[in-house]
Amino acid sequence: KAGVTQTPRYLIKTRGQQVTLSCSPISGHRSVSWYQQTPGQGLQFLFEYFSETQRNKGNFPGRFSGRQFSNSRSEMNVSTLELGDSALYLCASSFEREQYNEQFFGPGTRLTVL
Amino acid sequence: TQLLEQSPQFLSIQEGENLTVYCNSSSVFSSLQWYRQEPGEGPVLLVTVVTGGEVKKLKRLTFQFGDARKDSSLHITAAQPGDTGLYLCAGILSGYSTLTFGKGTMLLVSP
Repeated sequence: KAGVTQTPRYLIKTRGQQVTLSCSPISGHRSVSWYQQTPGQGLQFLFEYFSETQRNKGNFPGRFSGRQFSNSRSEMNVSTLELGDSALYLCASSFEREQYNEQFFGPGTRLTVL
Repeated sequence: TQLLEQSPQFLSIQEGENLTVYCNSSSVFSSLQWYRQEPGEGPVLLVTVVTGGEVKKLKRLTFQFGDARKDSSLHITAAQPGDTGLYLCAGILSGYSTLTFGKGTMLLVSP
């Protein structure tokens, strides 16, 4: 079974631009979560989508948004990029009705904002 | 305030040594997970513990969940260079469904 895939793997943008990241979950997984990882703050939860609906949301500004498609693939968008948005963005999928929310992570997208 | 505190932040040891890393909180977790992340990759789930006092073993790795479900430890016996990576604990607070991650312990095992 193929793992979680994320595209692109690396991205360089400048302040003020916007960016869209893509995630394809493991086949059969309907829950997709997004995390931001930085050396200072560690892994922080952005949001979770299940059956095309946002189920949970972390404490991030409205510049961060996401969506999920009917095939469970997900995208996240960051508008008006700031230098502090430079981070590794991780996508994770999990089984439907999985009690412990065990996450299967993709390799991440490394975003650098100049 | 970090809900899950991991210690030490960084650990550098020689192959064959034993080590323990800790994950502590003042809050109660309904379950707790440990992940390992290697450079350039996403975290990979190692284990989930759910019962206070529970001990799980995965080859040379031993995981323990505290009796009060507020802390956990990971012990590695006879560490090998392949154990090198960032070890993350993550828990689900009672009454919630999302995971809260600690900042991790970076382990470097030298030959």
